[in-house]
Amino acid sequence: GESVGLHLPTLSVQEGDNSIINCAYSNSASDYFIWYKQESGKGPQFIIDIRSNMDKRQGQRVTVLLNKTVKHLSLQIAATQPGDSAVYFCAERDSGAGSYQLTFGKGTKLSVIP
Amino acid sequence: EPEVTQTPSHQVTQMGQEVILRCVPISNHLYFYWYRQILGQKVEFLVSFYNNEISEKSEIFDDQFSVERPDGSNFTLKIRSTKLEDSAMYFCASSTTGAGYTFGSGTRLTVV
Repeated sequence: GESVGLHLPTLSVQEGDNSIINCAYSNSASDYFIWYKQESGKGPQFIIDIRSNMDKRQGQRVTVLLNKTVKHLSLQIAATQPGDSAVYFCAERDSGAGSYQLTFGKGTKLSVIP
Repeated sequence: EPEVTQTPSHQVTQMGQEVILRCVPISNHLYFYWYRQILGQKVEFLVSFYNNEISEKSEIFDDQFSVERPDGSNFTLKIRSTKLEDSAMYFCASSTTGAGYTFGSGTRLTVV
């Protein structure tokens, strides 16, 4: 879900369960998407990316799904571990106008219960 | 694993003072960026730099801000006269043309 003001939506999951983090993006012309993980006091860490000509991409324990019809992106984490606890951001890019800047979403805080 | 390196990790400065934040991007990357994150908020784009010039900048990047690549490895962000609202985490990032956006660990700027 989306955040309101300074409050991040929080997802709490039991260790070993699967996590699904959602992101609604705003620009229908965006052609590249990235999921980042941010731990407290650190910079965004790349998890996985997907281009707009794909609807699914898998990495190690992570899967990104892209639904361009409804402008929705999701990150699935399999067998969630305590080390997965962090804030997760989606980012989009519209390179059609020669732009390479990323636009970040508001983030979801994932808390893993041991 | 190649890294983007930022220094210092924490900078405290008096309002009105100039600060320079430093970054060493990944060596074979062509695009360089500065982003900032005010505490508890999302990451916001400031500026991108390619071929020794600014290629894009946001509304946040006003005349108080400037960027420079003084040599083949460093990329700096200067804030000429800091304001209280400049307090934030500043992230440097670099990328190849199409992908590989890698962020540094950030500099926490505190303006007092």
